[in-house]
Amino acid sequence: EPEVTQTPSHQVTQMGQEVILRCVPISNHLYFYWYRQILGQKVEFLVSFYNNEISEKSEIFDDQFSVERPDGSNFTLKIRSTKLEDSAMYFCASSGGGLRKAFFGQGTRLTVV
Amino acid sequence: GEDVEQSLFLSVREGDSSVINCTYTDSSSTYLYWYKQEPGAGLQLLTYIFSNMDMKQDQRLTVLLNKKDKHLSLRIADTQTGDSAIYFCALGPGRRALTFGSGTRLQVQP
Repeated sequence: EPEVTQTPSHQVTQMGQEVILRCVPISNHLYFYWYRQILGQKVEFLVSFYNNEISEKSEIFDDQFSVERPDGSNFTLKIRSTKLEDSAMYFCASSGGGLRKAFFGQGTRLTVV
Repeated sequence: GEDVEQSLFLSVREGDSSVINCTYTDSSSTYLYWYKQEPGAGLQLLTYIFSNMDMKQDQRLTVLLNKKDKHLSLRIADTQTGDSAIYFCALGPGRRALTFGSGTRLQVQP
C-alpha cells in the first residue's frame, strides 16, 4: 500500500535554530498538509497546500513557519527560529483522488532544548 | 469553529466489543474518519463514512453516524490486545483540513 514517509523520525534542536522537516507524499496526491501534536494533546492543523500554494492555514502557522514543495516530490515544513513550545510530533498528510482520504506519515518528533 | 469531543479512556476485556464515541458541533462535515495511533507511532486511517450514510461495516469495525444528534461511534467487535491504542475521530469537509477529537485511549485487558 502506498504510504507517506517522513524524515527524520526524531530531531533534537537548540532553541533559536532553524529546522526543516521533510515529507514525501503519496505520488499521485494533490493536497498536502502539516499537523502537529504536542505531547498528550489534540492533533492540530497547521497548513494545507495545493497547486503550489498554501490553501489554508491555522493561527498556529505564523511567520516563523513556511512550507515548500521544492522538487515535485518532497513537501517540507521549515521552522525559522525554534522555540521550546514548538516541541511536538509533526505529521505530514496527503490526499487525492475521489475520496479525499488523508493518509498520514509516521511523524517527526521535534524536541527543542 | 468545529468542536469535536471524545471521552478520554475506555477499558474493555479481550473478546468484548468496544464502542468509542465522538460528538461534534458542525454539521457541514462531509467526511468523518476514525484514526488509530499506537504508542510512538503515526496516525493510521482505520475507516471513514460519508455524511450521507448512517452505517458502515468493515470487518470487525462498525461506524454509526447519527446526524441529528451529531454523534459518531466506532464499534470494534471481538476486541484484541493489539487494538489497544488511542482512537481519534476526525471531521473533514472533503479536501480541506481535518479537525480532530482529543482521542480515546482504549485499554484491552487480557
